[in-house]
Amino acid sequence: DTGVSQDPRHKITKRGQNVTFRCDPISEHNRLYWYRQTLGQGPEFLTYFQNEAQLEKSRLLSDRFSAERPKGSFSTLEIQRTEQGDSAMYLCASSLFGITEAFFGQGTRLTVV
Amino acid sequence: DAKTTQPNSMESNEEEPVHLPCNHSTISGTDYIHWYRQLPSQGPEYVIHGLTSNVNNRMASLAIAEDRKSSTLILHRATLRDAAVYYCILRDKGGDSNYQLIWGAGTKLIIKP
Repeated sequence: DTGVSQDPRHKITKRGQNVTFRCDPISEHNRLYWYRQTLGQGPEFLTYFQNEAQLEKSRLLSDRFSAERPKGSFSTLEIQRTEQGDSAMYLCASSLFGITEAFFGQGTRLTVV
Repeated sequence: DAKTTQPNSMESNEEEPVHLPCNHSTISGTDYIHWYRQLPSQGPEYVIHGLTSNVNNRMASLAIAEDRKSSTLILHRATLRDAAVYYCILRDKGGDSNYQLIWGAGTKLIIKP
């Protein structure tokens, strides 16, 4: 197991376009988290899943954002009608239920032009 | 979640110990203290966590004040690979969403050869 992987690593898109990111967690982990990080700041929580159920969403997650985790395995984060303010690093993490240590992927850097 | 306060940056010489402070004066009795670090262009990496007692692992030591209002991450012998942003975060052990954490801007650790 090579850890949490995210795809793509970089994405440049025009304002108004839709983008989708994928996260593959560590296989036995049932919790999966999405964060957003802008330059010079710590990660901001967006949402998390326990298996296939999305249990929490941050107020930061506007209606243009949607996340899924079908079958409790990989997850996707979609941003519709992207805006320049969406430019950030999108991080995915996974952990075992009840275990505190989370493992992060390397992130997807989104640039909206 | 309670908030933490860390210095923006610190410098240390290679092969010397480093003490990274964190203040968390509003910590509650059920809050764990977590430390993560983020190397350039990488996702955050778990370092250590504790509740009341000092903790040691292969990466670092965590010293927690008796009143729990502050803690110190100790790198016993810093190397150039330890140059990163270090985040001190609190998590309520009673919370179900164990990673809906408030991340500050962290401390940027600079290691001088």
